[in-house]
Amino acid sequence: DIVMTQSPLSLAVTPGESASISCKSSQSLLHSNGNNYLDWYVQRPGQSPQLLIYLGSDRASGVPDRFSGSGSGTDFTLKISRVEAEDVGVYYCMQALQPSYTFGQGTRLEIK
Amino acid sequence: QVQLVQSGAEVKKPGSSVKVSCKASGDTFSSYSFNWVRLAPGQGLEWLGGIIPVLRTPNYAQKFQGRLTISADESTTSLFMELSGLRPDDTAVYYCTRISQSLFGYWGQGTLVTVSS
Repeated sequence: DIVMTQSPLSLAVTPGESASISCKSSQSLLHSNGNNYLDWYVQRPGQSPQLLIYLGSDRASGVPDRFSGSGSGTDFTLKISRVEAEDVGVYYCMQALQPSYTFGQGTRLEIK
Repeated sequence: QVQLVQSGAEVKKPGSSVKVSCKASGDTFSSYSFNWVRLAPGQGLEWLGGIIPVLRTPNYAQKFQGRLTISADESTTSLFMELSGLRPDDTAVYYCTRISQSLFGYWGQGTLVTVSS
């Protein structure tokens, strides 16, 4: 299985500032079709997880443009600009290249 | 609007089985990929397996081979996840998901399965 490693595992951010989460995969997620099969999800308190970013950098429907994904191959980053209170939750990266689909350990975002 | 509505919480004894259902509505059913993901206490998200109803053949994470059965009923647009040989570390919230933009674009509300003697 492809191993996904996130860092940091927790971070506390002041509202209005930005936050970045790193995700590294044990194998390249770059497909021969040019797409990186890397998703980002968030689980907010009391809610089901929600898709934020797919194919490494495409925002899912309804996701604010404060959220952006970047990277290719084995190294990816989720950036949240102008963090708001509603961004509290646990953020996961996930490889969608091959079953078994595997997630990172999760990064808990808190507001200072 | 796609909705995935799951069955209610379950409490099971170790060694028993649990079957969780997921009713899909709001869109065509048979040609989409549906998957099951769980979140155990203190753990991260974990993919269990999935199915495309029209193809009927599920695929499973190796870890669950032999004790997981995923099925779909096109007549009722429902998915099912049955896990046997339950252990305390199977205690988790189980989510039904459907593909949209990516594999897990839509999520059900989750079903808590507690395994305890």
